[in-house]
Amino acid sequence: SAVISQKPSRDICQRGTSLTIQCQVDSQVTMMFWYRQQPGQSLTLIATANQGSEATYESGFVIDKFPISRPNLTFSTLTVSNLSPEDSSIYLCSVESTGRGTDTQYFGPGTRLTVL
Amino acid sequence: GENVEQHPSTLSVQEGDSAVIKCTYSDSASNYFPWYKQELGKGPQLIIDIRSNVGEKKDQRIAVTLNKTAKHFSLHITETQPEDSAVYFCAASLSNYQLIWGAGTKLIIKP
Repeated sequence: SAVISQKPSRDICQRGTSLTIQCQVDSQVTMMFWYRQQPGQSLTLIATANQGSEATYESGFVIDKFPISRPNLTFSTLTVSNLSPEDSSIYLCSVESTGRGTDTQYFGPGTRLTVL
Repeated sequence: GENVEQHPSTLSVQEGDSAVIKCTYSDSASNYFPWYKQELGKGPQLIIDIRSNVGEKKDQRIAVTLNKTAKHFSLHITETQPEDSAVYFCAASLSNYQLIWGAGTKLIIKP
């Protein structure tokens, strides 16, 4: 499985500001995903990020609020813009596993965001 | 669209006993069913998965069973240990990496 790191691991931000989360993978992957996990809840897919194309957003998530970059096959960033307390969540990136078959995803350790 | 229900929401078992978590899905076209374990402060970890052409899969103390007719699949953990305490998530996938997630089960192993 791929080794995935995220930065920062946690942050506390003021409302109205933005936070950019980085996701780094130790091998090249085609598909990367960004999820939100609210406290005590399951995972919700924000968007799918393929290298060389614009991210595909799920219903309820928009590019202005959650801009994503995917400059190469091992790196992606998610920015959470104009923060409000409702954005306090864990943000997770995941990657598809090449060579294992379709659908398998591996997750990073997550970024815990608290908005004051 | 696909919907996944997971039960129970909390499961408490004595150390050494077995634990079973069940999920049902709505779309019969779903063909991939992973299980993830999430420990406090960590990302979900894939522990076992099964595809629709297989009825059962085992990996040491962990097994997953799939009943396509009834559209449900279950995680079985035998000889539970304290380190099995975590939140477990099931998911179902139709295709193209779109995972539909269950709500999660908090597993508590009592010493």
